Amino acid sequence: DAGVIQSPRHEVTEMGQEVTLRCKPISGHDYLFWYRQTMMRGLELLIYFNNNVPIDDSGMPEDRFSAKMPNASFSTLKIQPSEPRDSAVYFCASTRPGEAEAFFGQGTRLTVV
Amino acid sequence: AQSVTQLGSHVSVSEGALVLLRCNYSSSVPPYLFWYVQYPNQGLQLLLKYTSAATLVKGINGFEAEFKKSETSFHLTKPSAHMSDAAEYFCAVSGSGYNKLIFGAGTRLAVHP
Repeated sequence: DAGVIQSPRHEVTEMGQEVTLRCKPISGHDYLFWYRQTMMRGLELLIYFNNNVPIDDSGMPEDRFSAKMPNASFSTLKIQPSEPRDSAVYFCASTRPGEAEAFFGQGTRLTVV
Repeated sequence: AQSVTQLGSHVSVSEGALVLLRCNYSSSVPPYLFWYVQYPNQGLQLLLKYTSAATLVKGINGFEAEFKKSETSFHLTKPSAHMSDAAEYFCAVSGSGYNKLIFGAGTRLAVHP
């Protein structure tokens, strides 16, 4: 398997623009997680899905953030409008049924100028 | 609720010296515990995991960790540091549903000649 695939790897956008981050989990995994990593706050869990259904979005910082999982092989994290403080590395991770070991993607480095 | 505390945000050792990275956890249920490593500009990679079997867990790259329930600890060790071990290390505990990982703040390991 190719592992968790995230795109793009790098994104530079202007403040106020919409940003969409994409994730393809490992086939057969039933949980998908979105994390944000910054120097100040470390790794924060934003939202996670089970079988494409959002389970807990309490980590989503503001209404500007939204996430969807239309099917088992694809998820998006959208920020609209983006702000400079959203600059971070965003990771997607997935887990097998019944297991807590998370497999991470390479991350998307977002820079909002 | 689950939480993880990593003592020491930065650890520096000489090549060939013992590596000891500290992790203490809090969990209201029997925990699953993990150590992940992150190299620059990469995602997180699993080093090792404890899932209620043997308390001494061996991982990749010569690392091991011991689960001590009485001390609520899961410290990571390696007998002899190598330059390639320089990275950031994260301890994590599984959430109440045994699928959500809660991460510590991370420890950056530097290895000098």
